[in-house]
Amino acid sequence: AQSVTQPDIHITVSEGASLELRCNYSYGATPYLFWYVQSPGQGLQLLLKYFSGDTLVQGIKGFEAEFKRSQSSFNLRKPSVHWSDAAEYFCAVVPYSSASTIIFGSGTRLSIRP
Amino acid sequence: EPEVTQTPSHQVTQMGQEVILRCVPISNHLYFYWYRQILGQKVEFLVSFYNNEISEKSEIFDDQFSVERPDGSNFTLKIRSTKLEDSAMYFCASSEGVGGELFFGEGSRLTVL
Repeated sequence: AQSVTQPDIHITVSEGASLELRCNYSYGATPYLFWYVQSPGQGLQLLLKYFSGDTLVQGIKGFEAEFKRSQSSFNLRKPSVHWSDAAEYFCAVVPYSSASTIIFGSGTRLSIRP
Repeated sequence: EPEVTQTPSHQVTQMGQEVILRCVPISNHLYFYWYRQILGQKVEFLVSFYNNEISEKSEIFDDQFSVERPDGSNFTLKIRSTKLEDSAMYFCASSEGVGGELFFGEGSRLTVL
């Protein structure tokens, strides 16, 4: 079945440490790929997106993500996290076949250890 | 910066009552969406809307739900007879075109008692 998988439900990292949040998708063709962040009680904010071209994409707030076709992955990274990065992070795809609907992963909650 | 706005931010209703959630998408966007997020769970697609008709809908979007664009600016989600399990945060979103970035509103929290 077509899906978006975020295998980590909850991750805790120390402030200043590096971060990688995992995302895998299972669609026949390469979908459009997104990472959104949701702070507590807030809406969804786009961090970055991949449509085509360079597989390493830069986003806001110092985040980047790398698309790896061979692994069907689009992992989110940040070299040094800040306490304000504590939030829920959602990987999302627009399946090529759908082309108008974004499908979200189940999310990864990020906590920051002082 | 243009943004998607939603009203109300929070609504409490009795089971069986009708609820209308309102959204004003970004003005030059052509695609409109409703998503919901039950507390602590993933964001789920409900429906997408283009050219004054539904383009896609999920299994969640049953006959109790309807969407409308009554004028040039508003996009509404109606729940005809609310159930307890409809309690969730409902997000409206809009995009310029197919496959484009979705811009989300801050959500309307619906509590059904």
